[in-house]
Amino acid sequence: QVQLQQWGAGLLKPSETLSLTCAVYGGSFSGYYWSWIRQPPGKGLEWIGEINHSGSTNYNPSLKSRVTISVDTSKNQFSLKLSSVTAADTAVYYCARGGYPSRFRELRNAYQQFDYWGQGTLVTVSS
Amino acid sequence: EIVMTQSPATLSVSPGERATLSCRASQSVSSNLAWYQQKPGQAPRLLIYGASTRATGIPARFSGSGSGTEFTLTISSLQSEDFAVYYCQQYNNWPSFGGGTKVEIK
Repeated sequence: QVQLQQWGAGLLKPSETLSLTCAVYGGSFSGYYWSWIRQPPGKGLEWIGEINHSGSTNYNPSLKSRVTISVDTSKNQFSLKLSSVTAADTAVYYCARGGYPSRFRELRNAYQQFDYWGQGTLVTVSS
Repeated sequence: EIVMTQSPATLSVSPGERATLSCRASQSVSSNLAWYQQKPGQAPRLLIYGASTRATGIPARFSGSGSGTEFTLTISSLQSEDFAVYYCQQYNNWPSFGGGTKVEIK
């Protein structure tokens, strides 16, 4: 049974850096891509970016300049940093697993669906 | 960016009836399309991937169809637990989601 548990600061001031971590329990950590996705209150979902166990990343072009996703394979964890936050970054942030094994996804030359999700963390940006 | 458009925004359906939700992509995504269900205060739950393959544990009343730019999620006989918001997501390019369809009780 795969479980994702996430944590991080829930209240930030404008211009600060958002920092969240997601721990993966069960299943294979090295065999998949791991993503961050966010959802502003009452709105839809936005993919932020992803990482695999070797540290290879892909980011949403609209956020790329402010996003860093990193991995700690010794702890089966991955993390998100989003710099220079504004009120527009207020959202529930989710970590999630890519639904295809990495090798299969790379052979397909496409991205993937998300089959396991963390519980979500509400991050509010307010002065 | 591939823009995903869902319709209708809200669908009012009586329990036991069929619900049909639509999703359109701004360019072809082949069959790289997933559907999710989200209830208030919960993370999304994967229902369908590959446009028509049900995820593990998803009841047979959920079915997906389509390819290219036009996709449909059908719930054959709505149960009380199916009233929720549904999102489509393409993954032919970097992932993007539709704006959602809220299925409410009529």
